[in-house]
Amino acid sequence: DVKVTQSSRYLVKRTGEKVFLECVQDMDHENMFWYRQDPGLGLRLIYFSYDVKMKEKGDIPEGYSVSREKKERFSLILESASTNQTSMYLCASREGINEQFFGPGTRLTVL
Amino acid sequence: AQRVTQPEKLLSVFKGAPVELKCNYSYSGSPELFWYVQYSRQRLQLLLRHISRESIKGFTADLNKGETSFHLKKPFAQEEDSAMYYCALSGFGNEKLTFGTGTRLTIIP
Repeated sequence: DVKVTQSSRYLVKRTGEKVFLECVQDMDHENMFWYRQDPGLGLRLIYFSYDVKMKEKGDIPEGYSVSREKKERFSLILESASTNQTSMYLCASREGINEQFFGPGTRLTVL
Repeated sequence: AQRVTQPEKLLSVFKGAPVELKCNYSYSGSPELFWYVQYSRQRLQLLLRHISRESIKGFTADLNKGETSFHLKKPFAQEEDSAMYYCALSGFGNEKLTFGTGTRLTIIP
């Protein structure tokens, strides 16, 4: 059974804190993605990575950065968390144009 | 630029009635279209993709290039169909998916 796992299901942080969201996939996929999911706005792509150490900005990269040091791991970093970054964050992986697999999500609340 | 529009945020249908969730897209090349579904407390998962031309859980979707649409249909709704549905598009050979804003489908018993 294919798996995309995320380090936390729920996270509460304070404004200005540095936040790390971790994602691991066990399918040896080249491509990994970070989205945020907000009611009425759907899924919006923050960043994606098509190989180790390679990354590309998505539609809403401001306030975020990413790291991919190993093929199976893709981290999303909020350098200085703000209240408007309160959201559900979804990680996904995909090989080529095949099915995209999602993690369970991390619900982040920034106070 | 690629864009996906789902005009209905909410849709309520009686059990046994037909269901149609609308999806329109904008893309200049040859698109690949998908429907993803998220049931309560579950992760987002693929429901179907247009190139497979399958019927999954009774749902079908036909790509209409003339109307740039990929509507999801089911002839008889079941209570377990209640979920959030997202239409998504990727350009041919492109790994990046663009999602619509989603439609929450509620089946009324």
